[in-house]
Amino acid sequence: NAGVTQTPKFRVLKTGQSMTLLCAQDMNHEYMYWYRQDPGMGLRLIHYSVGEGTTAKGEVPDGYNVSRLKKQNFLLGLESAAPSQTSVYFCASSYHRGLHTEAFFGQGTRLTVV
Amino acid sequence: GESVGLHLPTLSVQEGDNSIINCAYSNSASDYFIWYKQESGKGPQFIIDIRSNMDKRQGQRVTVLLNKTVKHLSLQIAATQPGDSAVYFCAENTSGGSYIPTFGRGTSLIVHP
Repeated sequence: NAGVTQTPKFRVLKTGQSMTLLCAQDMNHEYMYWYRQDPGMGLRLIHYSVGEGTTAKGEVPDGYNVSRLKKQNFLLGLESAAPSQTSVYFCASSYHRGLHTEAFFGQGTRLTVV
Repeated sequence: GESVGLHLPTLSVQEGDNSIINCAYSNSASDYFIWYKQESGKGPQFIIDIRSNMDKRQGQRVTVLLNKTVKHLSLQIAATQPGDSAVYFCAENTSGGSYIPTFGRGTSLIVHP
């Protein structure tokens, strides 16, 4: 019953450093998403994937890259971290049966870039 | 109490009162809507959904109303409890594309005992 698991839960980076956030889901969902959440801004979509081997840009993709080499994993990379990327990052996955597309979220990764 | 989700991000109510959280959406092509609840330090969780061919749907203590004419969605919580304190988001999915959930700004509900 793990659902969606994000690693790590917390991280502090220096400006210019790189890192990868890992998202794993065990529900065999086709769709996976990365969102960032900033105070007063709600959830903004960074990148998403509609299946293994496919990725697409969301609303705020600049400064991030993603990969979906395996169906159960969706990786979010920051090549050169900037203070503006300080945020809470949420991964989600969903199945699609007709219109029903409930998204299941991970617990979030709190990233601070100093 | 009522709130317009995008303009009054905080709603304070007394325990036992009914709460109404509103959400305006912009895409007239949206045909599926979900309300999520996000408790402090956690990811959002599904509460209830509604398709565009419906105007009302009820769950346990929650009701969602959809007015497509004015592109407005509301979440009604009956007999609000302290455990209902959270941020509530509406999300819309649009057909014709990949059904990617687009989230509203969110409304913080504070329930006073």
